[in-house]
Amino acid sequence: EAGVAQSPRYKIIEKRQSVAFWCNPISGHATLYWYQQILGQGPKLLIQFQNNGVVDDSQLPKDRFSAERLKGVDSTLKIQPAKLEDSAVYLCASSLDYYEQYFGPGTRLTVT
Amino acid sequence: QKEVEQNSGPLSVPEGAIASLNCTYSDRVSQSFFWYRQYSGKSPELIMSIYSNGDKEDGRFTAQLNKASQYVSLLIRDSQPSDSATYLCAGSTGTASKLTFGTGTRLQVTL
Repeated sequence: EAGVAQSPRYKIIEKRQSVAFWCNPISGHATLYWYQQILGQGPKLLIQFQNNGVVDDSQLPKDRFSAERLKGVDSTLKIQPAKLEDSAVYLCASSLDYYEQYFGPGTRLTVT
Repeated sequence: QKEVEQNSGPLSVPEGAIASLNCTYSDRVSQSFFWYRQYSGKSPELIMSIYSNGDKEDGRFTAQLNKASQYVSLLIRDSQPSDSATYLCAGSTGTASKLTFGTGTRLQVTL
């Protein structure tokens, strides 16, 4: 069974630029999550989708971050404009049943 | 109080010993708990889940949940150098099982 796919794996941008990340969950997993992990910390949930509806986006900085999951499968997370403090690893995870979550390889973002 | 707390370590154990990793949680966290292993530069990997009070064993790993004391632990028997990693404890909150992670405990298994 293929795991969660993410791209790109690495991205370097300057502050105030925009960036987008892509995620393809495990086949059949209805729930998809985007997390931000800053070095030395645990992952922090940004947004949770159930199919193509948002379940929780309470920690998403909506003035600069946006996410969508069209057709209930793939998802994109966008940052516009980026700030230095957005430098982190962005992790996508999926789950079948709201419980066990499986993570993709992540995208390491560096904002200079 | 943080919702999920872990000692950041490092916890150093000799090869072949038992490593004991602990995690405490607040009232806001419900009864589903997960342990993830994260190697440096890699993403978290689910290794154990526990939903009810007591012990759950899987190979060299045992997860323990004590609801009365609000702690969850992970025991790794016969520790190997390949077990050296950061171990993240996570608990679910809310009806949609949002996961809240601790900061992780770094484990070092020495030869």
